Amino acid sequence: GENVEQHPSTLSVQEGDSAVIKCTYSDSASNYFPWYKQELGKRPQLIIDIRSNVGEKKDQRIAVTLNKTAKHFSLHITETQPEDSAVYFCAATDAEGGKLIFGQGTELSVKP
Amino acid sequence: NAGVTQTPKFQVLKTGQSMTLQCAQDMNHNSMYWYRQDPGMGLRLIYYSASEGTTDKGEVPNGYNVSRLNKREFSLRLESAAPSQTSVYFCASSETNIQYFGAGTRLSVL
Repeated sequence: GENVEQHPSTLSVQEGDSAVIKCTYSDSASNYFPWYKQELGKRPQLIIDIRSNVGEKKDQRIAVTLNKTAKHFSLHITETQPEDSAVYFCAATDAEGGKLIFGQGTELSVKP
Repeated sequence: NAGVTQTPKFQVLKTGQSMTLQCAQDMNHNSMYWYRQDPGMGLRLIYYSASEGTTDKGEVPNGYNVSRLNKREFSLRLESAAPSQTSVYFCASSETNIQYFGAGTRLSVL
C-alpha cells in the first residue's frame, strides 16, 4: 500500500523567512496530494492541495510543488508569520483514490 | 451547517470497559473515516466507509469496530479498551478527495 514520509519533523524559522516541508510517496498511482494545518488542540484543516496533472499550485503565501517522476511533493510558505506556527501534514491518496495516507507531521515554529 | 460533529469531546475509561464514539455529518457526504492521532505518528486510518452500508479496514483496525448507521452517522466502538488505545480520535467525511474533520475525541484508557 501507499506509504508517505515527511521531513523534517520539526522546523523553526524566524518571522519573515521561508519554510519548506517535503514529502515522498511510494505509490505511483496516487493522484491527489493535500496539505493540512493543525493548530494546537484543533482539528486538521485543508490549506492547499494539488492533483497529479499539475506541477505547482500557489495560494497567496503558500505553494505546493509536485514531482511525479521522483514521487515527492513539497509545501512552501513564504514571509512566515507567528500564526503559521502549527503542525502540518502532507497526504496522498491510495491506489483506489479514496483513502488518504498521511505523513507523520511537521511542527513548524515561527519565532517573532 | 455544523459540518462534522463528534461526541464526546473527552472520555476516560478503565481497561476492559467499552464505549462508542459518535460522528455525524450534515454535508451529505458519501465517505466517512475514523483516524487516531498519536504524537509523532500522524493520522492513522482505523476504518472507513465509502458509502452507506459499506465499511472497510484501514491501517490500524485491531481492537475497533464501526457501524455506518445511515448516510449521516458513522460510529466507532471499542469493545474492550486497552491503554494502547489512549489517543485522540478524529472523524472525517468527504465527497470528493477533500476531507473535513470533526473536532476530535480525546480518550484516555487507564
